[in-house]
This record gives sequence, structure tokens and C-alpha cells, in this order.
Amino acid sequence: DTAVSQTPKYLVTQMGNDKSIKCEQNLGHDTMYWYKQDSKKFLKIMFSYNNKELIINETVPNRFSPKSPDKAHLNLHINSLELGDSAVYFCASSLAGGYGYTFGSGTRLTVV
Amino acid sequence: QQQVKQSPQSLIVQKGGISIINCAYENTAFDYFPWYQQFPGKGPALLIAIRPDVSEKKEGRFTISFNKSAKQFSLHIMDSQPGDSATYFCAARSPGGGADGLTFGKGTHLIIQP
Repeated sequence: DTAVSQTPKYLVTQMGNDKSIKCEQNLGHDTMYWYKQDSKKFLKIMFSYNNKELIINETVPNRFSPKSPDKAHLNLHINSLELGDSAVYFCASSLAGGYGYTFGSGTRLTVV
Repeated sequence: QQQVKQSPQSLIVQKGGISIINCAYENTAFDYFPWYQQFPGKGPALLIAIRPDVSEKKEGRFTISFNKSAKQFSLHIMDSQPGDSATYFCAARSPGGGADGLTFGKGTHLIIQP
């Protein structure tokens, strides 16, 4: 059983397109996150979300928007994709308090 | 502003040797310090973690040493094996909890030579 699953694993798209990445967790966690890993492997938080609030990293462009239909899902929608958006995007989840993150296997986004 | 500084960026160790990765932090309010291991094409996986009221934690071949006064912590991998070759990240949890997320170091690419 996959604890945190992301789809798709690879995504190649043209500049200007809109795309979504889906994330689902079956761990019963109540907080979910999106992280961006750049070409130098640096992990940077983009969003965290529980059933009460959405916390947005102020450096994230508003072209990125998380959408959570329920506690087990946190999807990432990206508008007007740019070359600089190329990276690996990781979804993660944890219990309240942020201990013991579990990460998905990542989505490699390539914008051409 | 990088709140968690990790070194070295890359490390090569002979099989059976000790691998040591160091991290330093700035925010004294951090209250939980995990280490993550990442293999190519995979997400980071929690390896071991420590809270600041403890100076050392050991799990198998992996040990975290924590120095609160120096604001430093390190990961020691004893009897390093080729299967330990991966990228290792230290991290720190903000006191705001999950809402603030973990702050990660920039990672150490570890290679264990047979």
C-alpha cells in the first residue's frame, strides 16, 4: 500500500500551459504539504494545509494554487507555466504538529 | 536566509568507515530535528530524529549527536555500506508546527565506495 501517492510521476509541457499534480495519502494524517526540489536538490516548502488553514510560502507565485477536496487529497494546480517551474514537486503529509513527515515519490515537471 | 546550514555538500567514504554529516541552525525556537534519506527517483524518507532535550539518539548504525549550546547537530553512520549511498538532508521543525513545515538543509550526497 502506497502511503503518499502522486500522479503523474513525469510531466512534460509547454510554456504557458496549465497543469495539475494530484496527491493522495492513506495514512490518516491531517496536514499535507507541497515541496519543490530544484536542480541542486534544495527542498523548499510551498504550501501546508490542514482542515483548518492554508499556509502559503510568500515566495510562491500566485500561479500556484493548492486545492484540497478532502483531508486525504491535496492537489497542486499551476497556471501559465514558465521554464523556471521545472523541478521535482513532492507532496508530503504528517500528523498535526509536523512530526514524522511521509513524502510521496515526486513529480518531475519539465517545462519546454 | 538559510536557517539550516548543512555540510559537506558531498562525501566519499570507504565501506566500513564512519560517515559524518553536520548541520547548524540559527533559530533557537526549532524543537525537532529529523534526518531524511533520499535515493534517486524517490522521495525523502525519515531516517532518525531528535528533540533538543536529548544529546544523542542511536538507531542501529545511525546516530544523531545534538549540541544545543552550539546550535549544531550531526548524523553519524557507522560501518557505512554501499547501500547507504544516497542524499541526506537534515531538517528542523518550526515551533508553529506543521503549518510552517520543515526547513531543510541543502543536502549531502554520500557515496560509499566498496
